Amino acid sequence: EIVLTQSPGTLSLSPGERATLSCRASQSVGSRYLAWYQQKSGQVPRLLIYGASSRATGIPDRFSGSGSGTDFTLTISRLEPEDFAVYYCQQYGSSLYTFGQGTKLEIK
Amino acid sequence: QITLKESGPTQVKPTQTLTLTCTFSGFSLTTSGVGVAWIRQPPGKALEWLALIYWDDDDRYSPALKSRLTITKDTSKNQVVLTMTNMEPVDTATYFCAHQGDGFEVWGQGIVITVSS
Repeated sequence: EIVLTQSPGTLSLSPGERATLSCRASQSVGSRYLAWYQQKSGQVPRLLIYGASSRATGIPDRFSGSGSGTDFTLTISRLEPEDFAVYYCQQYGSSLYTFGQGTKLEIK
Repeated sequence: QITLKESGPTQVKPTQTLTLTCTFSGFSLTTSGVGVAWIRQPPGKALEWLALIYWDDDDRYSPALKSRLTITKDTSKNQVVLTMTNMEPVDTATYFCAHQGDGFEVWGQGIVITVSS
């Protein structure tokens, strides 16, 4: 089973700053099978990125994903107030799905 | 427009079996490449994938819970059913179903399940 480790656990930034979130897999993941989700407090998770770098429908272009193999990154170029939330990476490898433990992005 | 909605009991007792139904619209589970997944989230904790069933009846389970889970589909009713046996208080969580295309594209609102005697 592939384990995903996200870092940092909590990221404190101000609106307008750039956020870089990391997701590391315990073994290689096909880039097609890496996704990122945003979950605001009390809300349902929302798909941001699939295939490591493709934005889902309606996702602003300040969100971008990159990476391959075992190291993946979600970047938010300029933080808006509505971007402060918990972010999860998720992979599909060896026919099984796993989520990372999440990174909480909080206002500094 | 794709929508999904979870239904089932909101409370079960320890050792009981939980049966959850995901009723969906806007897509067909006979379309190649499509699946429906179940995911849960204990209060204040991370998302945990449980199971997924594909259009071709292929099913996948979390290794940690495989022995307790069964996922089935009824394409005529546009429903996917998840059963989880031997429920324990640690299984208290919000349970979501989601449409699998490129990632979990659309999620249901979730159903809160409490396991308590």
